Amino acid sequence: GAGVSQSPSNKVTEKGKDVELRCDPISGHTALYWYRQSLGQGLEFLIYFQGNSAPDKSGLPSDRFSAERTGGSVSTLTIQRTQQEDSAVYLCASSFGGTGAGDTQYFGPGTRLTVL
Amino acid sequence: QKEVEQNSGPLSVPEGAIASLNCTYSDRVSQSFFWYRQYSGKSPELIMSIYSNGDKEDGRFTAQLNKASQYVSLLIRDSQPSDSATYLCAAMDSSYKLIFGSGTRLLVRP
Repeated sequence: GAGVSQSPSNKVTEKGKDVELRCDPISGHTALYWYRQSLGQGLEFLIYFQGNSAPDKSGLPSDRFSAERTGGSVSTLTIQRTQQEDSAVYLCASSFGGTGAGDTQYFGPGTRLTVL
Repeated sequence: QKEVEQNSGPLSVPEGAIASLNCTYSDRVSQSFFWYRQYSGKSPELIMSIYSNGDKEDGRFTAQLNKASQYVSLLIRDSQPSDSATYLCAAMDSSYKLIFGSGTRLLVRP
């Protein structure tokens, strides 16, 4: 079946503008995750949605970052008043249940964000 | 101590050799462990998962977990140039989030 999809694949924006990044998880997956990967670095956890539970926002770096997940499926990550340090690849992942050992996360292709 | 630590490398091995990638973790992450491969400019793809002590084999790949010593490793037998990539170790914490190491770059020389 179809994997995780993300759009846009690339986004160039000017400092101070707002951006929205979209993620479509694998059908049937109840858990959805957002990560950020800066050049040459590992993945930094941002936020986690599991079913209808309140999201785990513990990784969001500032209040300029927010995310929502509508209808338990598609998610949008919004960055307000973008800064140059926000430039990174934003990766979305989904998994079947989000709980229990061995629940595997599958990644989308990412959105490369460049803030000029 | 970082929750998941990896040597950044690069680890360089000749074609056909065994590549050994290592990862250590803290008490804060202890549920399940995952190895992802990431080619340059691509997203991570799952290689193996392991959550019981011991070895788990899948083709040319073997994951090893030692909870007493808090390390997990990935062995790649008969390394191929196509195995050249960054290998990310990840551990699941008590909130079911994955905590990633910074990755080890592997170079397989033809």
